[in-house]
Amino acid sequence: AQRVTQPEKLLSVFKGAPVELKCNYSYSGSPELFWYVQYSRQRLQLLLRHISRESIKGFTADLNKGETSFHLKKPFAQEEDSAMYYCALSGGGSYIPTFGRGTSLIVHP
Amino acid sequence: DTAVSQTPKYLVTQMGNDKSIKCEQNLGHDTMYWYKQDSKKFLKIMFSYNNKELIINETVPNRFSPKSPDKAHLNLHINSLELGDSAVYFCASSQRGGSTGELFFGEGSRLTVL
Repeated sequence: AQRVTQPEKLLSVFKGAPVELKCNYSYSGSPELFWYVQYSRQRLQLLLRHISRESIKGFTADLNKGETSFHLKKPFAQEEDSAMYYCALSGGGSYIPTFGRGTSLIVHP
Repeated sequence: DTAVSQTPKYLVTQMGNDKSIKCEQNLGHDTMYWYKQDSKKFLKIMFSYNNKELIINETVPNRFSPKSPDKAHLNLHINSLELGDSAVYFCASSQRGGSTGELFFGEGSRLTVL
């Protein structure tokens, strides 16, 4: 069975501070991991995926298979980063992503 | 030019009623989904469907049923609504054979059961 754990329901930081949203997963095969973001009153949208190894809006995430983690990081948070962030996992033949329970990021001015 | 659209955006109804939420995607994707987002913002898969396969989350009550007239549409029917059905329901689509796993979501349909 695949599982995604986001231990923090809420993360509150000040503008300019570093941000790390934690994501741990449980999956026996080779996972594909994603971060989705939901801004206030908007639809969920893909932020980044581990296979792309890209940086989007200053966010990066590295897959650590040893620690089964895929933490989302940004060195300097901006107010517009305030949103709900979901970590998601797709595994093997299942294309149905499993989502973590989400972390609400609030960036104060 | 909305990729995944859902109607209605808001739905308020009484317990015991039957309601439907419609979803359409114009991305040419072969797989569509319904997710439920509860009051704690927890996102839970309800159904995954393409023209060959329906996968149902076993925790979903059988009062919920997906109906797909064609591969661009996946509607959600809910019978005998209960208070606990109040949530935001998200439709999504993806291309199974293409780039893996990325979901494209609709804006959500907020259902309130009184």
